[in-house]
Amino acid sequence: DARVTQTPRHKVTEMGQEVTMRCQPILGHNTVFWYRQTMMQGLELLAYFRNRAPLDDSGMPKDRFSAEMPDATLATLKIQPSEPRDSAVYFCASGLEGTEAFFGQGTRLTVV
Amino acid sequence: AQSVTQPDIHITVSEGASLELRCNYSYGATPYLFWYVQSPGQGLQLLLKYFSGDTLVQGIKGFEAEFKRSQSSFNLRKPSVHWSDAAEYFCAVGAWGTGNQFYFGTGTSLTVIP
Repeated sequence: DARVTQTPRHKVTEMGQEVTMRCQPILGHNTVFWYRQTMMQGLELLAYFRNRAPLDDSGMPKDRFSAEMPDATLATLKIQPSEPRDSAVYFCASGLEGTEAFFGQGTRLTVV
Repeated sequence: AQSVTQPDIHITVSEGASLELRCNYSYGATPYLFWYVQSPGQGLQLLLKYFSGDTLVQGIKGFEAEFKRSQSSFNLRKPSVHWSDAAEYFCAVGAWGTGNQFYFGTGTSLTVIP
């Protein structure tokens, strides 16, 4: 059963520390999304990749967030330095362009 | 501009009762529409999708949705709700060709009472 895998599932870190979240998209999918979910803002698109190329990262705070796809099986979202306001659930999703997105289980980040 | 509106933030229904969750969209072209469900602590799971053809689409877990172009709506229905249906439901429109590929509604939280 193909699925999007995210690690870690939970992360607690201190303010100022670097956080790296990883995502393994479903094999063969050519689009990858990073979303952030909070109670206040709901689902926010942070970044979107197609064929490993970043097409849109306008939703991402550029000064501290970065997203990459070093290869087709790995997408990363990095926060450096982390701040308490970054506490949220971060979802990775993958799909084929023009079809539905398949979501991972998310990484729950708490910055204290 | 593209957008999705879910007018009901929270709905409570009795187990066995029927359910309808509302979704309205704004999109300039033919929309691709989706309903996702999110259980606590989980990711979003696709319930059903509409791309073209029959405007009444069937999904998993006994859900269905009807696309009404004239009303710009894609409401989700279930004839008899089960306690396990309690979750958050998101409507989304696919907007390929733009930067933001999916526009999600703010979600409707469903509570099911025995």
